[in-house]
This record gives sequence, structure tokens and C-alpha cells, in this order.
Amino acid sequence: KAGVTQTPRYLIKTRGQQVTLSCSPISGHRSVSWYQQTPGQGLQFLFEYFSETQRNKGNFPGRFSGRQFSNSRSEMNVSTLELGDSALYLCASSLDKRTNNEQFFGPGTRLTVL
Amino acid sequence: GQSLEQPSEVTAVEGAIVQINCTYQTSGFYGLSWYQQHDGGAPTFLSYNALDGLEETGRFSSFLSRSDSYGYLLLQELQMKDSASYFCAVGGGYQKVTFGTGTKLQVIP
Repeated sequence: KAGVTQTPRYLIKTRGQQVTLSCSPISGHRSVSWYQQTPGQGLQFLFEYFSETQRNKGNFPGRFSGRQFSNSRSEMNVSTLELGDSALYLCASSLDKRTNNEQFFGPGTRLTVL
Repeated sequence: GQSLEQPSEVTAVEGAIVQINCTYQTSGFYGLSWYQQHDGGAPTFLSYNALDGLEETGRFSSFLSRSDSYGYLLLQELQMKDSASYFCAVGGGYQKVTFGTGTKLQVIP
């Protein structure tokens, strides 16, 4: 079974631009979560989508948004990029179990904002 | 809300045993998970505890005490390849998955 894939793997943007990142979950996984990871900051939860609906949201400004399609693929968008948005963006999919809800992570998209 | 705390760094000698602690605050607790992340890589699942006690998976064991809101990951016979960051996590189902602050383990010869 193919793992979680994320595209692109690397991105360089300038301040003020916008960016769209894509995530394809493992087949059969309907829950997709997004995380931002910066050095020393751990994994900061952005949002989670389940069956095309945003089910949970982290404490990020409205510049960060996402969506999920009927095939469970998900995209996240960041508008008006700031230098502080430079980070590794990780997507994770799961079977959405209440117990032992193992998260399967993609390789991430490394975003650099200049 | 949910919050999990871990030590930021731990150093241990190759062949030794190391324990990484995690204390959590959460509503609706269903279990504690552990993940490993090597530099430049994605987090990968290690273990899960739903009930109190010790779960063993090879060289790795994980412990949970629900009354103390506390768990730990125990790594035995440390190898250089165990140098990585380790995260505890709670959540599942309708509850978002929240990760701890992460512990960077350095294994030295």
C-alpha cells in the first residue's frame, strides 16, 4: 500500500506571495491532518479534515486554510506569506480510530519564505 | 485543551538504557502514543498505551499511568541509530491529535 505523499517537497517563495501544498493520504484513510514544524517548536497542529469537512482547527491565523476533496486528498493554502511561515509542513492520514489512532506522515514540504 | 510536556534533550551512551518522560493534560483521554523522528525525516509511530502498565516492543517499551497523567518511553540497548527526536501524543477520533514538545535524544559512543 502506498504511503502518504506530499507535493511539492521543496518550495521557495517571497513575502506576500501565497502557496498551496498538496497531500494524498493512504488509500482508505479519511482523516487528514496538517502540522507545522519549526526548529525547537515541535509539531504545531494546523487543522484536520474528515470527509471533506474541517473537524478541528489549531491556533493559526486565517491566512492558513485548507480543504479536502471527495477522494480524501487535501490541500492547504497560506496567503500573504511571512518570513515566520518558513517551516516543514507535514501531512498525516489515519483511519480515524478513537483508540490507537496511528498517524501516518508524509515526507513533508519544506517551505522557505525570503 | 490538551498539552503534553517532555524534556527537551537527553544524552545517553551507546548500549545503555534511557527513559523519556511525558506528562499530559487532556480531556477525554483515550491513550498515549509515541513517535520517532530522525533529522530530515517524517515522524513514525512507535507505540501506543491505552491502559496502565508497560507495553514492550523489542528494544522499546512504553509505560502509562493514567492516574498520574504520565507516561514514558524506555529505550534499551541503545544504538547510534536511535539518535532522533521522540514525541508523545494524545488524541484520536473527534479529538485532534496533539503532540508533545519533543525530546531530542543523542546517543554517544
